[in-house]
Amino acid sequence: QQPVQSPQAVILREGEDAVINCSSSKALYSVHWYRQKHGEAPVFLMILLKGGEQKGHEKISASFNEKKQQSSLYLTASQLSYSGTYFCGVRPVGSSNTGKLIFGQGTTLQVKP
Amino acid sequence: EAGVTQFPSHSVIEKGQTVTLRCDPISGHDNLYWYRRVMGKEIKFLLHFVKESKQDESGMPNNRFLAERTGGTYSTLKVQPAELEDSGVYFCASSQGRTASYEQYFGPGTRLTVT
Repeated sequence: QQPVQSPQAVILREGEDAVINCSSSKALYSVHWYRQKHGEAPVFLMILLKGGEQKGHEKISASFNEKKQQSSLYLTASQLSYSGTYFCGVRPVGSSNTGKLIFGQGTTLQVKP
Repeated sequence: EAGVTQFPSHSVIEKGQTVTLRCDPISGHDNLYWYRRVMGKEIKFLLHFVKESKQDESGMPNNRFLAERTGGTYSTLKVQPAELEDSGVYFCASSQGRTASYEQYFGPGTRLTVT
């Protein structure tokens, strides 16, 4: 039931691009992306909804393939501040009575100068 | 606008003791969630309040955990008696609505260490 994220870890140089993937075995209402820095609160980045709507930060881009239950987060021209652990949280279809998010195991991103 | 706040930020207790964690959601957010992250693993859902009512407590590990949200404002999560496997970071989150289109805002977490 837990979504699978890939890769588990990635190291970039400033200015390089990265893609983080999130794959679920269940049909989804939505995918939520968060970034967490060590010792801090997970920060909301984006929601991708069934039907194509998106909400989130302008500088973040992501996609949601409803047929494949897959989402990808695109980090372009990476900055040092992008470092952290990225989590996807999913809302499976049939979970309308609960706000529960089911999270992937996280992807650690390190951006070096 | 103030974010989600949690208290304490750290707690170290011995096995068998009791600990109470507190969460203050964003003002006006009826939905409040508790999650837990055990070291190196994913963030796992514990329960969901809508105002003062428990909407979903399917993630609560056992009856040693008791969550309350009296008055529909702040919430407490009590662990009694604590066991070693309860160690981890406990996050609280809040949202305006509970449907899939509402973002959840997380607090900084309480790091609980049971020795």
